Amino acid sequence: GEDVEQSLFLSVREGDSSVINCTYTDSSSTYLYWYKQEPGAGLQLLTYIFSNMDMKQDQRLTVLLNKKDKHLSLRIADTQTGDSAIYFCAEEAGGSYIPTFGRGTSLIVHP
Amino acid sequence: NAGVMQNPRHLVRRRGQEARLRCSPMKGHSHVYWYRQLPEEGLKFMVYLQKENIIDESGMPKERFSAEFPKEGPSILRIQQVVRGDSAAYFCASSPEFGRAGNQPQHFGDGTRLSIL
Repeated sequence: GEDVEQSLFLSVREGDSSVINCTYTDSSSTYLYWYKQEPGAGLQLLTYIFSNMDMKQDQRLTVLLNKKDKHLSLRIADTQTGDSAIYFCAEEAGGSYIPTFGRGTSLIVHP
Repeated sequence: NAGVMQNPRHLVRRRGQEARLRCSPMKGHSHVYWYRQLPEEGLKFMVYLQKENIIDESGMPKERFSAEFPKEGPSILRIQQVVRGDSAAYFCASSPEFGRAGNQPQHFGDGTRLSIL
């Protein structure tokens, strides 16, 4: 079955880089997503990567995909207090249209 | 606001009552998805609908839960005879008419927080 694992918490200092990691089990994954959820709000799509890519960069965000190890990471450069939120990793298996979500990583940015 | 609209934002019900959650998809989107988020959990898929059709309800509990997406109006998630365990945040997402959800990512509403007394 599908399973997506993330660590629950990450604490960083403002200005440092944050790296949020995710592992998944379904080798047929085609799309992998990162969503951000701020308190009391829904999920905001940050970025996604297709499985035939190993890296995608978008401003302060860098996504790395190691398909062999089924490992996905999100790096946030120059982390700001406004980046404090829960970050969800999600994967969509080939032939499916419904992503499977991890439990989310709470990113805490302190001065 | 052209985003996914959910209402109410907060809903309080007593055990045994009915809860109705509404979702209006983004303009131009005709695919709607409902998810449930329990405290400190990820989102769990419940049901996928298109206009007047339930496409996939594999995540819906077998009893008390139903969903619809009529030709006119919002999608409705209905929970009958609510119990304490139904307390959760319920999120709706939508995606465009064409293309799989993969290359047409889902856009989420802000959710309805359901509390059962």
